[in-house]
Parts: sequence; structure tokens; C-alpha cells
Amino acid sequence: KQEVTQIPAALSVPEGENLVLNCSFTDSAIYNLQWFRQDPGKGLTSLLLIQSSQREQTSGRLNASLDKSSGRSTLYIAASQPGDSATYLCAVIYQAGTALIFGKGTTLSVSS
Amino acid sequence: EAGVAQSPRYKIIEKRQSVAFWCNPISGHATLYWYQQILGQGPKLLIQFQNNGVVDDSQLPKDRFSAERLKGVDSTLKIQPAKLEDSAVYLCASSLGTTGYEQYFGPGTRLTVT
Repeated sequence: KQEVTQIPAALSVPEGENLVLNCSFTDSAIYNLQWFRQDPGKGLTSLLLIQSSQREQTSGRLNASLDKSSGRSTLYIAASQPGDSATYLCAVIYQAGTALIFGKGTTLSVSS
Repeated sequence: EAGVAQSPRYKIIEKRQSVAFWCNPISGHATLYWYQQILGQGPKLLIQFQNNGVVDDSQLPKDRFSAERLKGVDSTLKIQPAKLEDSAVYLCASSLGTTGYEQYFGPGTRLTVT
């Protein structure tokens, strides 16, 4: 069964810390991987899309890496801010043309 | 560029009633998805359209859920009759195509079945 797992389920850090969110997937033959942010009561905002041929993507303070051989991706957030508080979801497309399979998310709280 | 639009944003109904949700994707996006997100879980695909054809509806409870995408643009998702376990956020997403493109999500419709 193709699954996506995110650890930890929740994380609390003080403002300014660098942090890493983890995502693992059961089948290394993925097509691409996408990280999303979800604010309470809101939809999903796409943060980064990594194609299977890529090893990382960067956007501002965010860096996502992909290691297909180990079935893992990490989302690195530099110099965290209270505005980064949200749930971060990792999602994988295993075959071209199919839909995303999501993890349960990591809920991040950044205190000032 | 306008994002994915959904309505209504909130809906409360009693079990066994029917409900319909509407989605308008980003202009030019051929692929449209409906996901169900139960509290504390990640979204789960219900149905995927490519233009007005169904690509994947394997996880759609077809005895009570139906969806259509007429003219390959707007889409509606209907539940009839609703059950308590249908309480969830229903998210619509769209992408330019099915292969290699980012999916963009709407704000969702929060359904509460009492």
C-alpha cells in the first residue's frame, strides 16, 4: 500500500530557530513530491514541488530535499517566525497522471 | 490570476439530507480534483477529472456521492443521503494537466452532518 508518513505530528519552537520537518513514503518510485501549508480553516497553499529527477528545491527561507532511494523528503525552515505557524503537509504522486497521496501533516507552532 | 473558487464555505445538514458543493478551477486548468479531508487527516482523493472525463473515481462512495464536470470547467460534488461520517472539509484542486504540474487548492467547504 502506498503511504506517506510525517513525523513529528506536532512541533513547537521559539522564534528564530531553524527546523526540519520529515516525510517518508513507502515506494521509492515516485513521480513527484509536493509540500503544502494549511492554515486553520483554510485551503492548502503549495510551497514547493520537487520532480523525481530533482534533489531539492528552494523558495525563500524554505528548502525541500528529496532522497528517493531512502524514501524520504525533508522541509527545512530557516529562522522560523510566528507567521510560519501552520500545518505542513507532504504529498506524493506515485505515477504520472494520478492524484496526490497525503501524509497527516505536522502542526508547527512558533512562539515569539 | 484568480485562484480556485469553492462554495459554499460552510454547510450544516442533518443526516440523510442531500448537499451539493461547487468548484470553479483556475482558468485553463484541464485537470480537476475533489479531495475529502477528515479532521486530523491528510486530504484523500475522491474523484479526478481530465476536462469533462473521469480519470479516477475509485475512492468515491458511489452509492451516495456523485460528481460531474460539465463543459470541462466548473464541477459539482453531491452527497445524497449524507451520513455522520461525511463530516469533513471538501477541497477542490486544479492543475494544468495530469503530469508534472502543481495542484492549486481552493479554500474548501466545511461540511457538518448532525
